[in-house]
Amino acid sequence: QKEVEQNSGPLSVPEGAIASLNCTYSDRGSQSFFWYRQYSGKSPELIMFIYSNGDKEDGRFTAQLNKASQYVSLLIRDSQPSDSATYLCAVNAGGYQKVTFGIGTKLQVIP
Amino acid sequence: DGGITQSPKYLFRKEGQNVTLSCEQNLNHDAMYWYRQDPGQGLRLIYYSQIVNDFQKGDIAEGYSVSREKKESFPLTVTSAQKNPTAFYLCASSHLWTAFPLSGANVLTFGAGSRLTVL
Repeated sequence: QKEVEQNSGPLSVPEGAIASLNCTYSDRGSQSFFWYRQYSGKSPELIMFIYSNGDKEDGRFTAQLNKASQYVSLLIRDSQPSDSATYLCAVNAGGYQKVTFGIGTKLQVIP
Repeated sequence: DGGITQSPKYLFRKEGQNVTLSCEQNLNHDAMYWYRQDPGQGLRLIYYSQIVNDFQKGDIAEGYSVSREKKESFPLTVTSAQKNPTAFYLCASSHLWTAFPLSGANVLTFGAGSRLTVL
């Protein structure tokens, strides 16, 4: 079992819709959860991080964490063509510095 | 401005050659990382370091070596033992998790990447 699992996509949504990206992780000791966005040929950039169960909102983005189900998601409201990118879920184990990434989900927002 | 500088941006290597990728940061971060990314794949951890003169193997350390002689610098050497080195290499840095846990300490800041091609 991979430490961090994501569907590689592509996930296609129409402009203005909500995009829902999902991620599961295997280490129950994980304490830090991150979503990064990566445009083709570029380095990843942080969108959000979340530590506590529940929702965390930042503008059009909402991260959701459910530690009991070992599940973290990212919602993008009012999706724009500029949101088209690969979204990487990353997790670290509790008390450790190692950060492990999923394969990433490619999002395509159709105008 | 603070950030991470990776060089070179593009590098071509002949089979059997060792090459070294440079990574320098001025963010005063204690932790530094090297990841490898292949087309259509996520980031795979090669090595990471939390303190000068100490580093840990990641998930794919075979064929790679690192050093951490200065806090600001974490060079990666791709040796001839790495059989498939063509990839996009990303260096990152962060604060230590223990510095302020659950407060964004280990958010990674990435360099622009180095693209290595074996001829």
